[in-house]
Amino acid sequence: GAVVSQHPSWVICKSGTSVKIECRSLDFQATTMFWYRQFPKQSLMLMATSNEGSKATYEQGVEKDKFLINHASLTLSTLTVTSAHPEDSSFYICSATRTGTGYETQYFGPGTRLLVL
Amino acid sequence: RKEVEQDPGPFNVPEGATVAFNCTYSNSASQSFFWYRQDCRKEPKLLMSVYSSGNEDGRFTAQLNRASQYISLLIRDSKLSDSATYLCVVNPGAGTYKYIFGTGTRLKVLA
Repeated sequence: GAVVSQHPSWVICKSGTSVKIECRSLDFQATTMFWYRQFPKQSLMLMATSNEGSKATYEQGVEKDKFLINHASLTLSTLTVTSAHPEDSSFYICSATRTGTGYETQYFGPGTRLLVL
Repeated sequence: RKEVEQDPGPFNVPEGATVAFNCTYSNSASQSFFWYRQDCRKEPKLLMSVYSSGNEDGRFTAQLNRASQYISLLIRDSKLSDSATYLCVVNPGAGTYKYIFGTGTRLKVLA
């Protein structure tokens, strides 16, 4: 089956630190990856669409200079939370699209829990 | 109106019960539909895609009603392990792979 990994799974950092999260598709190539954020007891909110070899597309209200996305290869996308603050503490989840199935199923990584002190 | 709406629950049902969830979507041009399951503090996992003709996978049955713009999930013979949040997901189509998530319906199966 399609496997997506994320690293790290947990991050605790001081306010002002930049945090980099990696998302990898392990057994398929992913032209498109997505980054979501989920606060407690809320649904997943799409932050941005990451396309290999091009700039990410950000959702309304998401600061592109704060959440830097790089999709350098067909199996790796990274999200960098720059100058993180306590309000950025959340569960960040990536997904990768496996194309060619007709329904473009997204497969999710295990998520990264970020706690900014 | 939210793009994808679900009753947040919780639905508390005894083991062996049959339970059904509905989800409505606002964009009539939406292309594809899914049910995902999310356990506490975990990532969503695909439960099943929802086809126009409806589909069944073991104890789980999904239906799509395009005229009324809703999808449903039926779980028969509930197990304790079915306790989770069930997310309704819609792909609006129009050349995008984006997903729109509902807020999820929480199910608790009681012994």
